[in-house]
Amino acid sequence: DGGITQSPKYLFRKEGQNVTLSCEQNLNHDAMYWYRQDPGQGLRLIYYSQIVNDFQKGDIAEGYSVSREKKESFPLTVTSAQKNPTAFYLCASSSTGGDTEAFFGQGTRLTVV
Amino acid sequence: KNQVEQSPQSLIILEGKNCTLQCNYTVSPFSNLRWYKQDTGRGPVSLTIMTFSENTKSNGRYTATLDADTKQSSLHITASQLSDSASYICVVSDSRKLIFGQGTTLQVKP
Repeated sequence: DGGITQSPKYLFRKEGQNVTLSCEQNLNHDAMYWYRQDPGQGLRLIYYSQIVNDFQKGDIAEGYSVSREKKESFPLTVTSAQKNPTAFYLCASSSTGGDTEAFFGQGTRLTVV
Repeated sequence: KNQVEQSPQSLIILEGKNCTLQCNYTVSPFSNLRWYKQDTGRGPVSLTIMTFSENTKSNGRYTATLDADTKQSSLHITASQLSDSASYICVVSDSRKLIFGQGTTLQVKP
């Protein structure tokens, strides 16, 4: 089955801890994205990557970090510098930039306790 | 600033009724516009994608329209079903990245 997989589905973190969210795709897509979704708001872009070993900050990158060592994988680390990390995080991929359809994972709900 | 605005924010309709969701955008340059359906706690799934030259596109009971002159789009749902209860998100591409609206939450009641 081709698709994009996020794990875990639910994640709890203590304040002050870093946590990494996984995103894997087997669609052979070049571009991958991380979005944050809060109640009543649209998806906001955290980071995106158009090619392996390269990534760009989105609109709300502060407190987050990413890596793109492999085409299939685009993990997101939520650092202790992120002041309000509790949210629903969505990963997406597309074959090229904004012109092609983006496919989304099922999301990870992160809760800081 | 590139923006996508959707209305209404939420909507409740009875099963079997029709409804129309609106999307206004100020994205430039414009590449394409998509409507996504997002079930609670899940990732969005694409319903339609429309380019500048397309005025209307259907996907089953979903029909999207696009007026590139006024920069408006609508999503019409015909003969609603309980499974249509979800958030509907309008997304506009400037060819480099996607700009998301805040979504319209639709609840279909029996």
